[in-house]
Amino acid sequence: EAQVTQNPRYLITVTGKKLTVTCSQNMNHEYMSWYRQDPGLGLRQIYYSMNVEVTDKGDVPEGYKVSRKEKRNFPLILESPSPNQTSLYFCASSLGTEGTQYFGPGTRLLVL
Amino acid sequence: AQKVTQAQTEISVVEKEDVTLDCVYETRDTTYYLFWYKQPPSGELVFLIRRNSFDEQNEISGRYSWNFQKSTSSFNFTITASQVVDSAVYFCALTDSGNTPLVFGKGTRLSVIA
Repeated sequence: EAQVTQNPRYLITVTGKKLTVTCSQNMNHEYMSWYRQDPGLGLRQIYYSMNVEVTDKGDVPEGYKVSRKEKRNFPLILESPSPNQTSLYFCASSLGTEGTQYFGPGTRLLVL
Repeated sequence: AQKVTQAQTEISVVEKEDVTLDCVYETRDTTYYLFWYKQPPSGELVFLIRRNSFDEQNEISGRYSWNFQKSTSSFNFTITASQVVDSAVYFCALTDSGNTPLVFGKGTRLSVIA
């Protein structure tokens, strides 16, 4: 089944404790991206990747890191999480920037 | 800059009513792509439709239909004979042919009451 998977689905952590949210797709998509969804602010892009080893900042990249060492994986790293990073995070992939983006199930993160 | 406006924050209808969700977009590009996504209470984002700027043909898929009008920069979504399962937040989104991110509207929360 073609899909985008994210892990973990739910995470509660404390300020400053490094965490990684994994994202994997099995559709051989070149383009992958991360979004966060917050009430009243909608969905905002954090980082995106056009292909392996090519990443770039989205609208809200502060406090996040990403890497794209393999085509199928695009992990999101929070080196020192803070409470304002409490949010619902989505990973997405598509054939290209103008292609349909297919989203993972989401990761609910709570930073205490 | 690209922008998507969904002026209706929340809509409530009674089951079997028709409902139209509005989407107005702004872009300077002549080539662009419009999308609708559904986010049910379970939280996932479900793709509904993609339309490119050169195809103004309206589309119907079961109870769903979309009206794309470049003259008014609108891409409206109609659900005919709404059902309780249609209750969700619906997002309209826009991107162009360059490296710009997918820009989402703020979403419209649809509640269908039995």
